[in-house]
Amino acid sequence: GAGVSQSPSNKVTEKGKDVELRCDPISGHTALYWYRQSLGQGLEFLIYFQGNSAPDKSGLPSDRFSAERTGGSVSTLTIQRTQQEDSAVYLCASSPEIRAGTDTQYFGPGTRLTVL
Amino acid sequence: QQQVKQSPQSLIVQKGGISIINCAYENTAFDYFPWYQQFPGKGPALLIAIRPDVSEKKEGRFTISFNKSAKQFSLHIMDSQPGDSATYFCAGGTSYGKLTFGQGTILTVHP
Repeated sequence: GAGVSQSPSNKVTEKGKDVELRCDPISGHTALYWYRQSLGQGLEFLIYFQGNSAPDKSGLPSDRFSAERTGGSVSTLTIQRTQQEDSAVYLCASSPEIRAGTDTQYFGPGTRLTVL
Repeated sequence: QQQVKQSPQSLIVQKGGISIINCAYENTAFDYFPWYQQFPGKGPALLIAIRPDVSEKKEGRFTISFNKSAKQFSLHIMDSQPGDSATYFCAGGTSYGKLTFGQGTILTVHP
C-alpha cells in the first residue's frame, strides 16, 4: 500500500513569504506528527494530532508556525513570514493507533524548505 | 526530563566490524525504546525496538542492549556492511506521550 506522502519535495521561498507544506498519511492512521530536521541535527518535534483530540502543539517554535488536519486525514503545516532559520527538512509521520509513544511511526520523505 | 542523549555524533567502521551507538534517557516513565534508520533523502524507518522488561533484543545483525538501572540503551550492528551507512536515531516513549528522539549518529561503513 501507499506510504506517507509529502508535497512539495522541495520548496524555495524568499524571506517573509508564507509557505504551506502538505502531508498525506497512510489511510486509516489516526495519529499524525510533524518534525523538523535541520542540517546535521536530530528530529525536532513540532506538532502531533491524535484522532479527534486537541493537537499537541508544544513543539511549535513560534506563532508563525501552525498546522491543521482536515477530516482526520491530510495535514498542512503553514509557516508565515518565513525566516532563514526556518530552512530545514520538514518530516511528517503517521501511526495506526493512538498510543503515540509506543506505536511505529511511518515517515514520509520530507519537504526540503530553503528560505533565501 | 524528556531528553534522550545520543553518542557518538558520527562513527566510522570498517566492513565486518561492530558498530555501537549509545543513548541515555532521563524520563523514567519511558517504556518503549525504538531505533530508527534514515538513508539520505529518505524519511526515518523503524529498525528495531525494545521494552524495558527485557535486557536485550536481537534481530539479525542488529541488537539492542538495555540497562534500566543506568537508564541507558545501545544499538550494536554486527558484521557492519557498507549498506548500513545511514543516520541512526534512538528514541524513548510512553503509551500516553510522544516519542522523544536523540540527536542522531551518522554511521559510515568503509568497504
